[in-house]
Amino acid sequence: KNEVEQSPQNLTAQEGEFITINCSYSVGISALHWLQQHPGGGIVSLFMLSSGKKKHGRLIATINIQEKHSSLHITASHPRDSAVYICAVLPTSGTYKYIFGTGTRLKVLA
Amino acid sequence: NAGVTQTPKFRVLKTGQSMTLLCAQDMNHEYMYWYRQDPGMGLRLIHYSVGEGTTAKGEVPDGYNVSRLKKQNFLLGLESAAPSQTSVYFCASSWGEATEAFFGQGTRLTVV
Repeated sequence: KNEVEQSPQNLTAQEGEFITINCSYSVGISALHWLQQHPGGGIVSLFMLSSGKKKHGRLIATINIQEKHSSLHITASHPRDSAVYICAVLPTSGTYKYIFGTGTRLKVLA
Repeated sequence: NAGVTQTPKFRVLKTGQSMTLLCAQDMNHEYMYWYRQDPGMGLRLIHYSVGEGTTAKGEVPDGYNVSRLKKQNFLLGLESAAPSQTSVYFCASSWGEATEAFFGQGTRLTVV
């Protein structure tokens, strides 16, 4: 079993829909990172969380440390949101090594 | 502000050839990382550095070497390329251990 599991693996939505991507992890962490990767492109940091909730524009990220779970929400989705969303956790073991999920591939149709 | 810059962006190598990937960051970050990304797998750490002159092995270090002679640069070397090293390579940097990481645009390497 992977230490970081994302769901769903693939998601197709219509423009305007509310989207939720989930990340569950099995280790104690000091931080969790949500990343975005466009096809053929680089990786962009969206959020870094250690507790609570963060919002940036139409994106909202939440984390529940006790339940070892984080969600990334996209409100009023747009075709430009089509990308792979990656969850990465930094274990408290202090090895500076992020553990990455395999990503959720999102496609938003116009 | 360039952030993290990787060169080259694409490369095709023959088995046994060597090459060096360059990562440069202009944010004065202490920590730098090299990852590889393969289909169906999460990013995997090859090597990392927590400061100028230091390097350490990550999850998949075999077949790679690194150097951090200057704080802003982190070099990844392949001494004798193998087809198993066909991948997309990402460099990242961060100010500290649990701080936001910034990624480069990636290098797509094909070994034939």
